[in-house]
Amino acid sequence: SQQGEEDPQALSIQEGENATMNCSYKTSINNLQWYRQNSGRGLVHLILIRSNEREKHSGRLRVTLDTSKKSSSLLITASRAADTASYFCARRGMDSNYQLIWGAGTKLIIKP
Amino acid sequence: DAGVTQSPTHLIKTRGQQVTLRCSPISGHKSVSWYQQVLGQGPQFIFQYYEKEERGRGNFPDRFSARQFPNYSSELNVNALLLGDSALYLCASSLEGQAPSGANVLTFGAGSRLTVL
Repeated sequence: SQQGEEDPQALSIQEGENATMNCSYKTSINNLQWYRQNSGRGLVHLILIRSNEREKHSGRLRVTLDTSKKSSSLLITASRAADTASYFCARRGMDSNYQLIWGAGTKLIIKP
Repeated sequence: DAGVTQSPTHLIKTRGQQVTLRCSPISGHKSVSWYQQVLGQGPQFIFQYYEKEERGRGNFPDRFSARQFPNYSSELNVNALLLGDSALYLCASSLEGQAPSGANVLTFGAGSRLTVL
């Protein structure tokens, strides 16, 4: 399968705690992106990290990329109930095909 | 500015029928992509169009077809519907088309949920 692997498949934490999700892939990438999806609706772009970057921040989000291990992680700090959603990583390969390859997602539940 | 708009939002069809889904990209975006998302899974790429030309096609049968119009809106057609075609169909637009260094960040519509009975 071309899809990456995300773990955990589901994560349930208390509000205020940090949530970490991981994404692994098999082939070289141009960039890797994280998206959020609420209740089976459209996906929202969160953050993009390029293959020559190791870490990026956006508000409460922190993304790391380890190209030697072909893996990325998304950290959400000080979680809120509104963070409850499914989170997907999507990577763009190095070839001329511009499609994004998506993982199966991590379902995050924030308990109040 | 309006985001990516898709229609219809929900529809129910029976096996063997045909369906047309529509998408209007963000103003200024020339690239439209279509994805199928089955419940509990990540999106699967179906097509990408840029400047009215097909730029990529995923591993879907010929029953699936699409086109992009001069105003950059797009239609996805699925013929001879099967039960397994039941899914959320997502349209996304982006600025980038052909630049190898492009980020290809996608802006998604809310999707069209197709149920095949």
